[in-house]
Amino acid sequence: ELKVEQNPLFLSMQEGKNYTIYCNYSTTSDRLYWYRQDPGKSLESLFVLLSNGAVKQEGRLMASLDTKARLSTLHITAAVHDLSATYFCAVGDRDDKIIFGKGTRLHILP
Amino acid sequence: ETGVTQTPRHLVMGMTNKKSLKCEQHLGHNAMYWYKQSAKKPLELMFVYNFKEQTENNSVPSRFSPECPNSSHLFLHLHTLQPEDSALYLCASSQAGVFNYGYTFGSGTRLTVV
Repeated sequence: ELKVEQNPLFLSMQEGKNYTIYCNYSTTSDRLYWYRQDPGKSLESLFVLLSNGAVKQEGRLMASLDTKARLSTLHITAAVHDLSATYFCAVGDRDDKIIFGKGTRLHILP
Repeated sequence: ETGVTQTPRHLVMGMTNKKSLKCEQHLGHNAMYWYKQSAKKPLELMFVYNFKEQTENNSVPSRFSPECPNSSHLFLHLHTLQPEDSALYLCASSQAGVFNYGYTFGSGTRLTVV
């Protein structure tokens, strides 16, 4: 059974700092997704990573995938308050299912 | 209309009521999903439909009844709910198969059971 673990689950950080959210998963997969959710809102797709070594960047966010280590990272560079949200990692399972982690609640202090 | 549309956005219902949640996707996807999101359990997969056929029911109580009349529409029929069923219900769609680039989510229905 595929399990997806994110850490940390809660992160409070100062504006301007860098930080990384980690996503580990338990069985082989070549599909990994990152989503963002603002309070009371739906989930917005951020990144789709489909191969080992894939790296994608959008603004201050950069995601990478290491399928051999079963690890993805979401790196935040020079955080700004607008990035405060909950970030979910999700991993592709058999039968096209996607299994979500518990989410990392990110709070960026001015 | 584009993307995934859910109605209503908010719903308050009594425990003896019957109501339905509606989801419509305009993306040409062939798979649709219902998720429940609450404070206790971040994202619970409830039902999966592939090409209109239900392929997964994650031990969901029978007071939740899904319906998928075609690949663009998905309903969740609700009856005799409990207060613990209060949550955000999210619909999602995807293109199952080789070109699965993940789910597109609707805005959700915030359900309160009183």
